[in-house]
Amino acid sequence: GENVEQHPSTLSVQEGDSAVIKCTYSDSASNYFPWYKQELGKRPQLIIDIRSNVGEKKDQRIAVTLNKTAKHFSLHITETQPEDSAVYFCAASKARGSGNTGKLIFGQGTTLQVKP
Amino acid sequence: EAQVTQNPRYLITVTGKKLTVTCSQNMNHEYMSWYRQDPGLGLRQIYYSMNVEVTDKGDVPEGYKVSRKEKRNFPLILESPSPNQTSLYFCASSSSGQGEQYFGPGTRLTVT
Repeated sequence: GENVEQHPSTLSVQEGDSAVIKCTYSDSASNYFPWYKQELGKRPQLIIDIRSNVGEKKDQRIAVTLNKTAKHFSLHITETQPEDSAVYFCAASKARGSGNTGKLIFGQGTTLQVKP
Repeated sequence: EAQVTQNPRYLITVTGKKLTVTCSQNMNHEYMSWYRQDPGLGLRQIYYSMNVEVTDKGDVPEGYKVSRKEKRNFPLILESPSPNQTSLYFCASSSSGQGEQYFGPGTRLTVT
């Protein structure tokens, strides 16, 4: 079945540095790739997503890049701040036929620590 | 206020005692899902529903049942819970199959 691998599992950076989290997916039919942030004790929340017809998307300090050929996508956070400390999850899904299935495969998560 | 609610938030039960975790959303979303979150394994989809009376298995459906009789509700049923179902469970809803998932607050289940 479809699989999403996420690396690294933990990442520690100094405040102001950049952080990069990478994911690879197995199903070439995947066409939607969201990223979720989960703060300690909270529910996951969408921070950015990208579709397969786009190679890169930015939203202020965060960006996501997609390489369909290599089947991997990455989350980039620039100028990290302590409030960026959280667990980040990538995910992938594909449309089945003419409609969307709603099936979403998540990566294992990356715990990001931003040290002041 | 747009929200997804789950009940109960915490539950400790014993092996074999049937339980139901309720999930309700007030956003008129068609899509709803159940996930379990375990350390090192991320979020794994248990079941999802594309509309009323339309459900499908996710990655880890064994030991769980769901129903979608109304658009707003999507209960998760554990007919005979076992200790390996001890986990943090999230319900989520979205307006499309490839749109933002709005998660509930989570239900922490312990099966002894």
